[in-house]
Amino acid sequence: NAGVTQTPKFRVLKTGQSMTLLCAQDMNHEYMYWYRQDPGMGLRLIHYSVGEGTTAKGEVPDGYNVSRLKKQNFLLGLESAAPSQTSVYFCASSRGTSGSSTGELFFGEGSRLTVL
Amino acid sequence: AQKITQTQPGMFVQEKEAVTLDCTYDTSDQSYGLFWYKQPSSGEMIFLIYQGSYDEQNATEGRYSLNFQKARKSANLVISASQLGDSAMYFCAMREGGIGGTSYGKLTFGQGTILTVHP
Repeated sequence: NAGVTQTPKFRVLKTGQSMTLLCAQDMNHEYMYWYRQDPGMGLRLIHYSVGEGTTAKGEVPDGYNVSRLKKQNFLLGLESAAPSQTSVYFCASSRGTSGSSTGELFFGEGSRLTVL
Repeated sequence: AQKITQTQPGMFVQEKEAVTLDCTYDTSDQSYGLFWYKQPSSGEMIFLIYQGSYDEQNATEGRYSLNFQKARKSANLVISASQLGDSAMYFCAMREGGIGGTSYGKLTFGQGTILTVHP
């Protein structure tokens, strides 16, 4: 029962470096999301995808890019990391329009990123 | 304006007692969904309970119930018979629009409430 898997779990970057966070889900979900969690601010949506090959901006998209080349994978990229991107990143997925009674999001375990 | 407001940064409760975590929301949609998630110190997000805007009954899941007051736009979480394992951060969240709507399932989260259960 893997559910939603994020890699890596921890990463330390220097300012200006780039990296990619990988999210994989094995539930055949249509919708996928990237959130960031900062103290006192809850979770804020970065980008989301409603299907393979589609992406859209969320509340705080600046400094991030995403891709969804395969239905089960959603990648979050930081091209030039900044200290303000130090955060815990959560990937989530949901069934979308098919067979969900609540539309709940299923979350990965989170990825802690520190930018020095 | 904040779409989801949790006004209690921290709450304390004695083991075996009940506790209410407050959540107010703001939306002009008629169809929406309200969620509560638990985040223990290990960091994962655990779905607890859901209330649809058209649901007439308050949602219940075991020791969790959602006190839904539509006119007041509040969706408070009630935990009965608190246990030490209930100590965690709790998030209220809202989906605007129906499940198959153009919100595409996006949730907006509140700031969270840290609950500490004392023995």
